[in-house]
Amino acid sequence: EAGVVQSPRYKIIEKKQPVAFWCNPISGHNTLYWYLQNLGQGPELLIRYENEEAVDDSQLPKDRFSAERLKGVDSTLKIQPAELGDSAVYLCASSSTSGGEQFFGPGTRLTVL
Amino acid sequence: AQSVTQPDIHITVSEGASLELRCNYSYGATPYLFWYVQSPGQGLQLLLKYFSGDTLVQGIKGFEAEFKRSQSSFNLRKPSVHWSDAAEYFCAVGANTGNQFYFGTGTSLTVIP
Repeated sequence: EAGVVQSPRYKIIEKKQPVAFWCNPISGHNTLYWYLQNLGQGPELLIRYENEEAVDDSQLPKDRFSAERLKGVDSTLKIQPAELGDSAVYLCASSSTSGGEQFFGPGTRLTVL
Repeated sequence: AQSVTQPDIHITVSEGASLELRCNYSYGATPYLFWYVQSPGQGLQLLLKYFSGDTLVQGIKGFEAEFKRSQSSFNLRKPSVHWSDAAEYFCAVGANTGNQFYFGTGTSLTVIP
């Protein structure tokens, strides 16, 4: 069974540029999570989807961050415009049930110059 | 407020020695508890989880953890550490509704040959 797929694995951009991350969850997993992980820190939840509905986006900085999960499968997280402080690893995870075991992708390491 | 504390930022042990990583949580309801491991450049992998029942849970790679409600702890143990166990370890707490999922700041494990 394929795991959670994320792309790109690495991204380097200049500040004020837009950037997008893509996630393909494990087949059949209805719940999808996006996390932000700063260096030396644990992951912090940005947004959680149940199918195509964003059920918890309270920690998502909505002035510059947006996310979508069309058709309740793949998801895209976007930052526009990116700031220096956005440099971090962005992790995607999925689970078959809300609250169940989360399976993580390898993450996208973003560097903003 | 809900939180997870991992008091040890970094631990060094000799190969073959025993290991205990500490985790304390603050949670208003009955918690779901998890331990994840993250190798450099990799996503998080679940080692074990506690939902209910026996407070001593066995995980993969020879790890175990014990839930102690009176101490609000969920410490991770391994009787004999292998060099391949060197990684970052994260404790997490959540609810069965899937939201309010919190990670600790992690403990970095170094294994000396």
